Amino acid sequence: DSGVTQTPKHLITATGQRVTLRCSPRSGDLSVYWYQQSLDQGLQFLIQYYNGEERAKGNILERFSAQQFPDLHSELNLSSLELGDSALYFCASSLGDGGYGYTFGSGTRLTVV
Amino acid sequence: GQQVMQIPQYQHVQEGEDFTTYCNSSTTLSNIQWYKQRPGGHPVFLIQLVKSGEVKKQKRLTFQFGEAKKNSSLHITATQTTDVGTYFCAGPSTGTASKLTFGTGTRLQVTL
Repeated sequence: DSGVTQTPKHLITATGQRVTLRCSPRSGDLSVYWYQQSLDQGLQFLIQYYNGEERAKGNILERFSAQQFPDLHSELNLSSLELGDSALYFCASSLGDGGYGYTFGSGTRLTVV
Repeated sequence: GQQVMQIPQYQHVQEGEDFTTYCNSSTTLSNIQWYKQRPGGHPVFLIQLVKSGEVKKQKRLTFQFGEAKKNSSLHITATQTTDVGTYFCAGPSTGTASKLTFGTGTRLQVTL
């Protein structure tokens, strides 16, 4: 157990639907990062939050949004889902705003049918 | 944008053989990190290198950061079946120190 908790572990949904992925960072970590991993794209950075504020954005689609709450947990919202959104979504956390290694959660496998 | 490439993409070795993966960044990095992802698992942080030319060892694993801080390598001596997985290097993106750009990864398969 890495200390980073992601729910749900698996999600199957239909095209056009909206889903919410949840992440609780390791205790004491202030930064949360979201990554998408698909077979042909590797680990793609989506977005980072630090202590409730958005800090960095990657190639995150407009259909995707995220937030970090006062208790530091984060949610990634994916809407108008397409088949190509099927992937593993990882959340990672770190103590500060970057720097030393990330701790990853076990991921949410999203399948869009 | 910043690109981090790794070679080879895939390597299959027999247990006991050595293995090396190489990581090349299109930009100079302030540090390089290495992660291992077992099949079906999540990336796990292995190490961070900061200084130009730095070499660090973890048991059978040797990590090196290039003099120009644009490349790095991971060498595994006498591989074991427990070394199976994908090895990723990662470096801070240009302009955003906190955001890591991951390399393309090298998948290692070890057979007896």
